[in-house]
Amino acid sequence: DTEVTQTPKHLVMGMTNKKSLKCEQHMGHRAMYWYKQKAKKPPELMFVYSYEKLSINESVPSRFSPECPNSSLLNLHLHALQPEDSALYLCASSRDRDTGTEAFFGQGTRLTVV
Amino acid sequence: GENVEQHPSTLSVQEGDSAVIKCTYSDSASNYFPWYKQELGKGPQLIIDIRSNVGEKKDQRIAVTLNKTAKHFSLHITETQPEDSAVYFCAAASWGKFQFGAGTQVVVTP
Repeated sequence: DTEVTQTPKHLVMGMTNKKSLKCEQHMGHRAMYWYKQKAKKPPELMFVYSYEKLSINESVPSRFSPECPNSSLLNLHLHALQPEDSALYLCASSRDRDTGTEAFFGQGTRLTVV
Repeated sequence: GENVEQHPSTLSVQEGDSAVIKCTYSDSASNYFPWYKQELGKGPQLIIDIRSNVGEKKDQRIAVTLNKTAKHFSLHITETQPEDSAVYFCAAASWGKFQFGAGTQVVVTP
């Protein structure tokens, strides 16, 4: 099983809303990632969690707030987003952060900010 | 920082022909090089990868080569089929940071 499950698949939110994206994996992976992908562009790293601790924040604005409640779950809390934040948000996981471990992606959440 | 260049940006091939996508990277600390296939509306799917202590790896119709000295790696797809049509991304990874190439749109025409 190499499945990373993301919910919801689609989300439309206003600029004053608060919403959360969820990601789940049951592969026993201890590294989890959030990526942002704009149309016709590669994924851009946002956050990396390693053993439930935030280890990389790629200078992401504070309106994006990650959370790792346990080793299987990863959330991304959204607040006061801008229309330019509309994108596909991808979650990924890997066995750990050590070099050379495969990362598996979820299907993404298509976010539209209106 | 790390930079990965990927070429070509688009590739149109006849069914049955081969497709080759090339990437170069700049960070000598990178030692894991995965390739992802992304279909419209879906997340990237890992199709093959190679580690720095290996020069070549093959899985059925897909092969990857790595030249660590030149910092080049390539994806080869043989006997292409219409279902191979997608965007392909190369990546170079170091300590959990995956730096992706810009992507190659592959179109396989029957």
